[in-house]
Amino acid sequence: DAKTTQPNSMESNEEEPVHLPCNHSTISGTDYIHWYRQLPSQGPEYVIHGLTSNVNNRMASLAIAEDRKSSTLILHRATLRDAAVYYCILKSGGNQFYFGTGTSLTVIP
Amino acid sequence: NAGVTQTPKFRVLKTGQSMTLLCAQDMNHEYMYWYRQDPGMGLRLIHYSVGEGTTAKGEVPDGYNVSRLKKQNFLLGLESAAPSQTSVYFCASSAVSSANEQFFGPGTRLTVL
Repeated sequence: DAKTTQPNSMESNEEEPVHLPCNHSTISGTDYIHWYRQLPSQGPEYVIHGLTSNVNNRMASLAIAEDRKSSTLILHRATLRDAAVYYCILKSGGNQFYFGTGTSLTVIP
Repeated sequence: NAGVTQTPKFRVLKTGQSMTLLCAQDMNHEYMYWYRQDPGMGLRLIHYSVGEGTTAKGEVPDGYNVSRLKKQNFLLGLESAAPSQTSVYFCASSAVSSANEQFFGPGTRLTVL
């Protein structure tokens, strides 16, 4: 199964943009790129997903490299409520998600 | 809508005891999942179901059994609990779509002594 590589931790100042990188060099043509985040003591929540084109929603933007071997989750203005562990996940045609250890984002007031 | 609910929220077992964790969803989702999360780790899939009456093994199925007798409920059973099963257990559900956006419950914290 395709795997992802993320930095263990990142910091950002409040109200500044945050770029969370993810490498997935073994991605196949049918793999969707998903991002979930997990706030402390909660279950994960969906953030965004994409296949080839960049995607935007009310929570974030997803920028996908042209060769699809990497992607970046963009939080446009980090708030204290965005402090969480962010997981980059590849989903293939099956129904299984492989979460990995994610990136722990700290937002500094 | 309550979304995804899990019962119980906390439980302490002794080695060898059995228990069942209940997951319920009110979103009419076809797919349901059970994950475990150990300290400092990401979630690992235990078992999942793509519809009522069907179940399949995930990444770490040993020591667990599941049943999906009703579409809205997904049960996770531990027949003989072991300390290695101490973990936080999350249930999730999703609709049939390319996104398969999963909605997670609040988790059950299980300690096996």
